[in-house]
Order: sequence, then C-alpha cells, then structure tokens
Amino acid sequence: AQRVTQPEKLLSVFKGAPVELKCNYSYSGSPELFWYVQYSRQRLQLLLRHISRESIKGFTADLNKGETSFHLKKPFAQEEDSAMYYCALNTNAGGTSYGKLTFGQGTILTVHP
Amino acid sequence: DAGVTQSPTHLIKTRGQHVTLRCSPISGHKSVSWYQQVLGQGPQFIFQYYEKEERGRGNFPDRFSARQFPNYSSELNVNALLLGDSALYLCASSGRPSGYNEQFFGPGTRLTVL
Repeated sequence: AQRVTQPEKLLSVFKGAPVELKCNYSYSGSPELFWYVQYSRQRLQLLLRHISRESIKGFTADLNKGETSFHLKKPFAQEEDSAMYYCALNTNAGGTSYGKLTFGQGTILTVHP
Repeated sequence: DAGVTQSPTHLIKTRGQHVTLRCSPISGHKSVSWYQQVLGQGPQFIFQYYEKEERGRGNFPDRFSARQFPNYSSELNVNALLLGDSALYLCASSGRPSGYNEQFFGPGTRLTVL
C-alpha cells in the first residue's frame, strides 16, 4: 500500500533562512510526487511536481528513489511562504491510475520576520 | 472561469441523516475526485469519476457513494451519518484521467455531524 509521511507537523524559521520540508513515501511502483500548498483562507493548490523538475516561488524538490524521499527546499524563506504544505503521491500502476492522490499529514511552515 | 465550485459551503446534520454534496469542475475537465479532510490530517481519497464512470475508490464504507453527470458535475452522497463523518469534503477536477496532470481543488464543503 502507498503511504506518504511528513515527519514535521510544525516548522518555524526566520526570514532569509533556508527551509526544508521533509517527505518520505512508500510505494512499490513508479511514483509521481507533488507538493501542494494551502495559504491562509485559500484553497489547496499545486506548488510543484517532480516530473517537471521546475522551481516555483524559489522552491525545489528532488525525487530520491533510493531514499524514497521528495523533500521541499528553499534557500531563503520569505514571510509569504508561511502556509500548510502537503506532499502527495499519485500512484500510476501500469498506466491505469486515475488521479488518486495519497497525501501526507501536512507541515505548517511559519516564517518569522 | 471560477475554478472548481462546491456547494454548500457549510452543512450541519445530525446522526443518521443523509447528505448530498455537489461539485462543478473546471470547464473542459472530465475527471472529478472527492477527498475527505479530517481536522489535523491530510486529505484522504474517496472516489474518482471520469466520463461518468467510477475509476477509483478509497477505503470508505458503502455509506459513501457518488456519481457524475453528463455535464461532468458530481455529487457525493453519505447515508446514515456518523459523528466521525464530520470533515471538510474536497472536490478536485483534472483534464485527464491518469496521472501526470494537475488536480485543481475546490474550496470544500464543511460538514458537521451532531
């Protein structure tokens, strides 16, 4: 069975400090991983996906299949980064998956001025 | 486009009652997924529908059911409500049925069961 673990429920950093939100997954097939973010009083939205290898709002995440991790990193945190962050796994078993996301419990990031 | 819309915003029911939640996907999206988010936890997958067919079901009892209409909107029905059904119910739409595609989430329906 697939599982996503975000070990930190709360993470606090100061503005300008590096930040890393941890995500580990368990899945025997070929995973597709995402980071979703929810800002205060807004809906859940996609931040980035591993397959795009893109950097959004200064955040990057690298899929490490050996360590089954997909940690989210930003070198210099900003106050506007304060939000709830969810790591999510989309299982794609032989191409028959239909968009079922398995979410971690989320990490609340607070960036202090 | 207003994005994914859900109704109602909030709902209060008592144990044993039935509830229907509604979702309208982004125009052109044919896939709708439902998630339950209990306070303090991440969303948990309930159902996915594509082209009016159920394409995935999570680990939820048969009291939970859903359907998708020809216009791709969707309803989630929950019978015999329990206190533990109190949660935020999220709907998400996407343009394709399989992975490698973004799911767009609605604002959710907050269900309280008393």
